[in-house]
Parts: sequence; C-alpha cells; structure tokens
Amino acid sequence: AQSVAQPEDQVNVAEGNPLTVKCTYSVSGNPYLFWYVQYPNRGLQFLLKYITGDNLVKGSYGFEAEFNKSQTSFHLKKPSALVSDSALYFCAVRDMRNTDKLIFGTGTRLQVFP
Amino acid sequence: EPEVTQTPSHQVTQMGQEVILRCVPISNHLYFYWYRQILGQKVEFLVSFYNNEISEKSEIFDDQFSVERPDGSNFTLKIRSTKLEDSAMYFCASRSSGWEQFFGPGTRLTVL
Repeated sequence: AQSVAQPEDQVNVAEGNPLTVKCTYSVSGNPYLFWYVQYPNRGLQFLLKYITGDNLVKGSYGFEAEFNKSQTSFHLKKPSALVSDSALYFCAVRDMRNTDKLIFGTGTRLQVFP
Repeated sequence: EPEVTQTPSHQVTQMGQEVILRCVPISNHLYFYWYRQILGQKVEFLVSFYNNEISEKSEIFDDQFSVERPDGSNFTLKIRSTKLEDSAMYFCASRSSGWEQFFGPGTRLTVL
C-alpha cells in the first residue's frame, strides 16, 4: 500500500538558519513526489516535484528537495529560513504505475523564529 | 496567474440535507479532483474525474457522493444526505498534462 510519513509534527528553526522537513514514502512502483505548503485559511500551494532525472529538485520560494531512492526519502530543504516560511508543509506521493491520486503525509508545521 | 476557485468558502448545513460544493478549475486543465481534510487529520483523496467520467474513487466516496461537470467551467461535488462526519474542508484540484495538481482554497463544510 502507498504511504507517506512525515515523522515530525513540528520543526522549529531560527531565521537565517537552514531548514529540513523530512518525508519518507512507500509505493509499489516508481514514485512521483511532491511538496505542498498550506498557509492559514488557504489551500495547498504547490512547491516542487520529483518525477525523474536529477535527484535534487528546486522549487518555489528558494525551496529544494532531494530524492533518495535507497532511503525512500524526499526531504524538503532551504538554505536560509525566513519568518514568512512559517506554515504547514505536506509531502505527497503518487504511484505512477496504477493511480492518479495523491497520498499525503500528516503534515509538518514549520515555525521560523526571528 | 490562473487559480482554482471554490465556492462557498464556508457552508453550514443540517444533517440529512443535500449540499453542492462548487469549483472552477484552471481553464485549460483536463483532470479534476476532490480531496477532503477533516480537522487535524491528513488530506484524503475522494475522487478523480477525466473526460466526463470518474476515473478513480476512494472508499469514502460512497453512493451519497457524486461529481459533475455541468458545463465547460464548473466542477461540483454533491453530498446527498449529509452526516456529521462529513464535516471537513473540501479541496478541489486540477491539472493539465503535467503531474502537479493545483488546489483551490477549500470549502469548509460544517454539518450540524
């Protein structure tokens, strides 16, 4: 069965420091991986995706993520956090072999302190 | 930048009543979806829709749920007889031939 795990409910980081939000996945076929961000009272905003190719993908607002097939991980990273990055982050996976739906993780709340 | 829009932003209804949640996907998109998020829980897939028919649905999407694309722009989710446990945030999403889905701001459904 497909699943996504985000092991941290909350990540706290000081402004200017690097941040990492963790995600691991389980699919039977090859994964399509996505990160979304949700600000209060807003929908899910697409940040970046991994489909194929370079394991390091770059997305919106300076975020990037690294696909690691051996560790089945897709961690979200940013070299220098901003207070405005504080939000709820969701990792999602699609098993490209037999479904079009996204399976979401439980979300990680990122808090960036000034 | 084109966006998915949803109306209403908040819907309050009595148990047993029918509700229709409306979505306008991005105009050149071909694939449409509904997801829901019960408060404090993860986002869950409900249904996908392509070429005027359902392409996939979850076990949540039972006979009380239906979707329709009544014209070239709207995509609706109908719940025939709402239950208390249907209270959630409902998100519409759409995509083109690219793989990323674009989500609307959601409709918060409260069933009393």
